[in-house]
Amino acid sequence: AQKITQTQPGMFVQEKEAVTLDCTYDTSDQSYGLFWYKQPSSGEMIFLIYQGSYDEQNATEGRYSLNFQKARKSANLVISASQLGDSAMYFCAMREGQGDSSYKLIFGSGTRLLVRP
Amino acid sequence: ETGVTQTPRHLVMGMTNKKSLKCEQHLGHNAMYWYKQSAKKPLELMFVYSLEERVENNSVPSRFSPECPNSSHLFLHLHTLQPEDSALYLCASSQGPGLSYEQYFGPGTRLTVT
Repeated sequence: AQKITQTQPGMFVQEKEAVTLDCTYDTSDQSYGLFWYKQPSSGEMIFLIYQGSYDEQNATEGRYSLNFQKARKSANLVISASQLGDSAMYFCAMREGQGDSSYKLIFGSGTRLLVRP
Repeated sequence: ETGVTQTPRHLVMGMTNKKSLKCEQHLGHNAMYWYKQSAKKPLELMFVYSLEERVENNSVPSRFSPECPNSSHLFLHLHTLQPEDSALYLCASSQGPGLSYEQYFGPGTRLTVT
């Protein structure tokens, strides 16, 4: 069963507007971590933001915030005030907390974001 | 050098060649990873090393052989590859296995098998 689902293969947003990238996950663990990464055309994966399953507040990092809805098993990324440099692939990932599997990051299929000037 | 570096950035090899990908992390991390990113597929974890010991081997064909001589260096030795092995190979490192430890990625090696 797919554990991370990103249903938006591609999205457009106007420069300076906010955009939400969807991510849903599936796990039976109580303890897990959720990550968002950005991958520009250069190929490097850039860590953006982290949310722990026990964190009561939504994570924020600058223009990035994570809308964490535990009951719905969703961890959407919100980018405020989009910039042209935000155009990239965005990946949601999950790490579960059981033994050796805590090393493993499971990635979604990604969303390609294009910011229009 | 800072972060995670990978060499070469691009590699074209024939199916009978032997080559190696190199990864180096300058972050003092204890865990290192190899991922494969093929077109239109999610990132696939290949290998994990923690303190130079392999802790994860994700059913990867034996034509891929990892080596971790120390906690800062990770190699992926390639031999008799297939065209379907053409992909972006990403190396990553993290401080440890804890849930909150993000993985830092290198720029990747774009591999083309002819």
